[in-house]
Amino acid sequence: SYELTQPPSVSVPPGQTASITCSGDKLGDKYAYWYQQKPGQSPVLVIYQDSKRPSGIPERFSGSNSGNTATLTISGTQAMDEADYYCQAWDSSSVVFGGGTKLTVL
Amino acid sequence: EVQLVESGGGLVQPGGSLRLSCAASGFTFSSYAMSWVRQAPGKGLEWVSAFSGSGDSTYYADSVKGRFTISKDNSKNTLYLQMNSLRAEDTAVYYCAKVKGGYSYGNDYFDYWGQGTLVTVSS
Repeated sequence: SYELTQPPSVSVPPGQTASITCSGDKLGDKYAYWYQQKPGQSPVLVIYQDSKRPSGIPERFSGSNSGNTATLTISGTQAMDEADYYCQAWDSSSVVFGGGTKLTVL
Repeated sequence: EVQLVESGGGLVQPGGSLRLSCAASGFTFSSYAMSWVRQAPGKGLEWVSAFSGSGDSTYYADSVKGRFTISKDNSKNTLYLQMNSLRAEDTAVYYCAKVKGGYSYGNDYFDYWGQGTLVTVSS
């Protein structure tokens, strides 16, 4: 079965750029999606089809996908961005999530 | 405004059954695929099952295949998950999620999520 690997945690000072990676075999040949989940809340889509932002998601969120790695980048990270982030891709007709990355803004 | 409201969670003994419901509003329910995603306490997201927008296909994760059944009642704008032969490892918050389209492999994603309902499997 297809697996997506994320670092368990990433830390970034306020105002700096955070990069969260998601690795999978030939992931660049698929679309990658990213969800943000804050404590006690439901997930929210922040990036779809590698690099597109849904309405209402700040411009500081961006995404890329090439080779075996997709990357979620948050520019000018704010305290409100502290959350768990999950990447998602497809394996045939099944949906696969990465294990999640806890982003700490300190 | 899209709203998804799950219900039906609770405490159940191993081997028992439970049926979850997800009441949808704010969009044309019959036109979209719907899915269930779960999250064990302190763990990550796990896709469980999906019902296609065309209404002719269902999909399951290997971990629940043969035990869970997804269904969709377009007349009631409600998605269901019948869970049988429950195990301790099924303990999780179960989220109902709207799929952006009809369940196009590789191109679709979850654009709206409910607040979740907690299922606890324990004796």
